[in-house]
Parts: sequence; structure tokens; C-alpha cells
Amino acid sequence: GAVVSQHPSWVICKSGTSVKIECRSLDFQATTMFWYRQFPKQSLMLMATSNEGSKATYEQGVEKDKFLINHASLTLSTLTVTSAHPEDSSFYICSAPPYGQANEQFFGPGTRLTVL
Amino acid sequence: DAKTTQPTSMDCAEGRAANLPCNHSTISGNEYVYWYRQIHSQGPQYIIHGLKNNETNEMASLIITEDRKSSTLILPHATLRDTAVYYCIVNPGTASKLTFGTGTRLQVTL
Repeated sequence: GAVVSQHPSWVICKSGTSVKIECRSLDFQATTMFWYRQFPKQSLMLMATSNEGSKATYEQGVEKDKFLINHASLTLSTLTVTSAHPEDSSFYICSAPPYGQANEQFFGPGTRLTVL
Repeated sequence: DAKTTQPTSMDCAEGRAANLPCNHSTISGNEYVYWYRQIHSQGPQYIIHGLKNNETNEMASLIITEDRKSSTLILPHATLRDTAVYYCIVNPGTASKLTFGTGTRLQVTL
């Protein structure tokens, strides 16, 4: 199957700093990518939909000014957690449906963020 | 999105078939049934999907009832590596955002 990568796989940062997480589709193009967040022992919660060439769409309750999303190309979306706080510590996962295909949606391996 | 209901947890002996049920009584005519699984601390992995016919691939079989209100994912010969949380999701197509429920935590034991 197609591959989606995330970088970094884990990151530890101090409170108040910003952290950028990259999501790349390695062997396919994706006009849309999705960002999820998962807290311990909980399910994945959709944060936002990243759209290539246009603004991201955020789910209710997700602060767009705190979680900046940029879909720079058909293979790259970035999520920047600005002014991170300990409550932002979580497992962040991206996914991408290949453009023009509707059978599978591929997920990245996730990025574990720990804010001290 | 239609809501799904799954048992919280299930156990299965290694080598035996694991049958994971899912209720989706409010599914719409254009919605597919998708199954994903998530092994601890990894991203979800696609398993299989179907609309109304039963489906089989190298990983699993999907049995959808005739009224489409429920389905069963079958892992024919479970191994320890199949221990994971299994999510049943109904969705009009995977280009759409996926709504994850709580899933079923499958524990495969020796």
C-alpha cells in the first residue's frame, strides 16, 4: 500500500515554544490530508482537514490560531502547534486519501508530542 | 456520519478465528463499512471495506448483513500480532474525513 510518513516521530519541547510536524505522502499525491489527535486510552479525534492550495477546515473546538496548518504541496502538509502547553501533549496522526482513489485512506505512523 | 457500536473488548486464542461485530443501524445507502486497526502507539492501518457484498482480502473477511445494519470482521487465524484496537467506520468514501468511535480492543492470547 501507499506510504505516509511523519516527522518527527516524537518531540519533547518546553512550554511556550512552537513545534512543527510534517506529514508526507511518499508515493502518491493528496489534495486533502487530515490531522487527528489522540490522547492516552482514547480514540482518534479529527482536528482539521488540510487542503492543498486553500485554507484548512477546522473541527469545532479546535483553535485555528493555535494549530496552524499549511498544505504546501500535493505531498506535504504541516501542523504547527504554537505556544505549546502541557495539555497539548498528545499523539498527532495524519492521513491522506490518494487523489482520484476512493478505496483506502493511508495513515502516518504518528508523532508523539510531550510538552514540559 | 452514521454511528457505529462495537464491543469494548474481546479475547481470542491464537490460531482461532476472531469475529468482531459492529452495529451500524443508521447507515445510509451510499455509505461504506470500513475497518481499520491500530496497534499500540502506531497510526491506524486499513484492513478492508465493503458496501453490501461480503469482501475478502489477504488480511480479513467482511460479512455485511443483508439489511446492512451490522457487519462482522473475521480474522481467520488470529496471531499475537493481531492484538490491536479495531475500528468499524461508516463513510461515503475515504476521501472524506473518518469519524472514529471507541473501537474493540482485541487481545490475542497463547
